[in-house]
Amino acid sequence: DGGITQSPKYLFRKEGQNVTLSCEQNLNHDAMYWYRQDPGQGLRLIYYSQIVNDFQKGDIAEGYSVSREKKESFPLTVTSAQKNPTAFYLCASSPQGAGQETQYFGPGTRLLVL
Amino acid sequence: GENVEQHPSTLSVQEGDSAVIKCTYSDSASNYFPWYKQELGKRPQLIIDIRSNVGEKKDQRIAVTLNKTAKHFSLHITETQPEDSAVYFCAASRGYGQNFVFGPGTRLSVLP
Repeated sequence: DGGITQSPKYLFRKEGQNVTLSCEQNLNHDAMYWYRQDPGQGLRLIYYSQIVNDFQKGDIAEGYSVSREKKESFPLTVTSAQKNPTAFYLCASSPQGAGQETQYFGPGTRLLVL
Repeated sequence: GENVEQHPSTLSVQEGDSAVIKCTYSDSASNYFPWYKQELGKRPQLIIDIRSNVGEKKDQRIAVTLNKTAKHFSLHITETQPEDSAVYFCAASRGYGQNFVFGPGTRLSVLP
């Protein structure tokens, strides 16, 4: 999982501002995922992408947007429509293929609202 | 859709004792069950996983058992050590190309 990087480590958002979280992987994994984790809670799926130029909504996609223009990159934008964005955001990737289900996580980005 | 429950939510054990965390799932088509360990402020790390064609898997002090009929699986940690203290998450998936549904987590504290 050392091949998955997220930046920045901390991000501050002002009211009405869109912010973008970066996720990059050099593991040649096909699938990438974004999760949100609130304090003391489990992981909830925001968006996922199984192939370049294609992505699907997860359980809590409202107020978020993504793109997948390159296999290595899956940025997440937290829009001003997301009214409660303070959380720990985790990106993950997996190789796909039978027997290749395991997801590997990046170090996370903590988003705080000013 | 899939629903994963996890118990207990918190667990305290004495160093050297065993710890058991249980998860239940609702989707009978789920066939892949990973366990992750997350230390405070860190990323979740895979510690063990099991597929539905196997009933038990062991890796040193960690083992996972799966009961497909009852739709539950458990994590067993023997000879616990203080460094085992963390939050543990179970998950269920239909496998290749499908997403994970995570349980809410168990905070394990190993007391010296």
